[in-house]
Amino acid sequence: AQSVTQLDSQVPVFEEAPVELRCNYSSSVSVYLFWYVQYPNQGLQLLLKYLSGSTLVKGINGFEAEFNKSQTSFHLRKPSVHISDTAEYFCAVMGSGGSNYKLTFGKGTLLTVNP
Amino acid sequence: DTEVTQTPKHLVMGMTNKKSLKCEQHMGHRAMYWYKQKAKKPPELMFVYSYEKLSINESVPSRFSPECPNSSLLNLHLHALQPEDSALYLCASSQSGGLGDTQYFGPGTRLTVL
Repeated sequence: AQSVTQLDSQVPVFEEAPVELRCNYSSSVSVYLFWYVQYPNQGLQLLLKYLSGSTLVKGINGFEAEFNKSQTSFHLRKPSVHISDTAEYFCAVMGSGGSNYKLTFGKGTLLTVNP
Repeated sequence: DTEVTQTPKHLVMGMTNKKSLKCEQHMGHRAMYWYKQKAKKPPELMFVYSYEKLSINESVPSRFSPECPNSSLLNLHLHALQPEDSALYLCASSQSGGLGDTQYFGPGTRLTVL
């Protein structure tokens, strides 16, 4: 079975500072990794995903993530955050095999950007 | 257009009521999903429909009954719910439900069971 662990439940940062949200995955087979963002009282929006190929993935709103197979990590980064980036961020894994339709989400990281 | 719509936005119901949640997409997607999200928790998968057939039921209690009348529409029928069923119910769709497919989420229906 696949799983993801988001190491920080909350990350407070100041506006224009860089941020890294950490995600580690566990899987014995090929994995497909996603980062979603959820703004208050809204649904989830895809930021980026890794399927194969280049390990550096660029997404929307200036976010990027790096797939690291040896460290089983898929950390999300942004060089300079804005107040509007305040939201809940979910890392998710979709694995091949018996549960190939399923997205398994991490517990989420609440990013709070302060002025 | 990458929009998934859900109605109603809010729903309050008693434990003896019957109600339905509706989800619609016009992206030509053939896989549709229901998730349940409790406050400050990640979404949990409930059901997956693929090509209008139920392909995954995550051991959801029978008081939740999904229906997929056509490829654009997904319903969730609710009956005899419990207060602990209060949550945000999210619908999503993806192109075919295959590996790596992006799931597009609707804004959700916030359900309160009294």
